[in-house]
Amino acid sequence: DVKVTQSSRYLVKRTGEKVFLECVQDMDHENMFWYRQDPGLGLRLIYFSYDVKMKEKGDIPEGYSVSREKKERFSLILESASTNQTSMYLCASSQGQGAPPLHFGNGTRLTVT
Amino acid sequence: AQSVAQPEDQVNVAEGNPLTVKCTYSVSGNPYLFWYVQYPNRGLQFLLKYITGDNLVKGSYGFEAEFNKSQTSFHLKKPSALVSDSALYFCAVRAFSSGSARQLTFGSGTQLTVLP
Repeated sequence: DVKVTQSSRYLVKRTGEKVFLECVQDMDHENMFWYRQDPGLGLRLIYFSYDVKMKEKGDIPEGYSVSREKKERFSLILESASTNQTSMYLCASSQGQGAPPLHFGNGTRLTVT
Repeated sequence: AQSVAQPEDQVNVAEGNPLTVKCTYSVSGNPYLFWYVQYPNRGLQFLLKYITGDNLVKGSYGFEAEFNKSQTSFHLKKPSALVSDSALYFCAVRAFSSGSARQLTFGSGTQLTVLP
């Protein structure tokens, strides 16, 4: 079974802090995704990576950056956290060109105070 | 621009009864359609997908979905609901011709509650 592991289940940070959300997958998947989930809005793509060091902006990249130095790890970075970034963050992976996300982590609920 | 509508925020159904979670979509060209489920305090799980072929698609946990091109719908169904089916369900769409994995649009989700 593919496992996508997000390092933190709950995180509380202060406004202005730099925040790192880590995601690791164990199946050598090419594609990795970071989504944000908010009630009534569904999932919105923040960033997508299709290979090491390769990334594409999603629908809501503002205020976020990503890093993919190794194939199995995809990090989401909030350069200066703000209260409107309080949300559930979901990492996902898939294999193959154009393949949509198939395997998700359990999510990180981030609260910015 | 592509879009997905899940017209019901909440669906309640009695255990043992059939369930339907509705989804309609808008996309240029042929669609690539998905259903995902999110159990409490968990990430999403893939349930099923439609690419081409038979309009009735079978997926995990006894779920199936019916693709209707004329109505641009992809409703999720199950003949007999279980209490354990209670979860948040998301429909998603992408244009079949799109080669990019990032071009997937999710609906806002439908909370299904199965009452014992």
